[in-house]
Amino acid sequence: GEDVEQSLFLSVREGDSSVINCTYTDSSSTYLYWYKQEPGAGLQLLTYIFSNMDMKQDQRLTVLLNKKDKHLSLRIADTQTGDSAIYFCAVDQTGANNLFFGTGTRLTVIP
Amino acid sequence: EAGVVQSPRYKIIEKKQPVAFWCNPISGHNTLYWYLQNLGQGPELLIRYENEEAVDDSQLPKDRFSAERLKGVDSTLKIQPAELGDSAVYLCASSLALDNEQFFGPGTRLTVL
Repeated sequence: GEDVEQSLFLSVREGDSSVINCTYTDSSSTYLYWYKQEPGAGLQLLTYIFSNMDMKQDQRLTVLLNKKDKHLSLRIADTQTGDSAIYFCAVDQTGANNLFFGTGTRLTVIP
Repeated sequence: EAGVVQSPRYKIIEKKQPVAFWCNPISGHNTLYWYLQNLGQGPELLIRYENEEAVDDSQLPKDRFSAERLKGVDSTLKIQPAELGDSAVYLCASSLALDNEQFFGPGTRLTVL
């Protein structure tokens, strides 16, 4: 299998940038994903990056991938209270949509 | 368009009792997934279906867990008998095909007393 690690908690002030980090172990991972989970809800796909890319930007979201260090990050610009949720990193080891999830990072946005 | 529907949303049972969860995927989605999410953890795949065929059930504890997807649409996941350690959220997801985005349902929170 794959080990995917995330820090458990992050607190930021409204309007600041948030950076959520993820490390993984299998260098053959093809797609890497970020999901958001709000209380009582399922996971919502935010963005993803293919392993041959270094960066992907989508509105307030920026994903950075360092394949050498097996490190993935999600930056949320101008963080809002509605961004408070648990964020999961997931990697697809085989390219067959077989996802391995991290433990999740609980983001708290302070007004 | 309706998302992935799961029922019940919450279930409380005593240990050794049976329990079943139901999932209705997004219309037209051929691939269906069942995940287990323990408290404070990320989801872990239990079983994946391509239409009515289970293509990956390597993580399903087959001594007490079973699943079916008759007619390749709705699916049920059953635990018999339930144990205290089965308390968790059971998530269902579906995708158009094997290599497409997975859409998740809200989950069923199971508490075993």
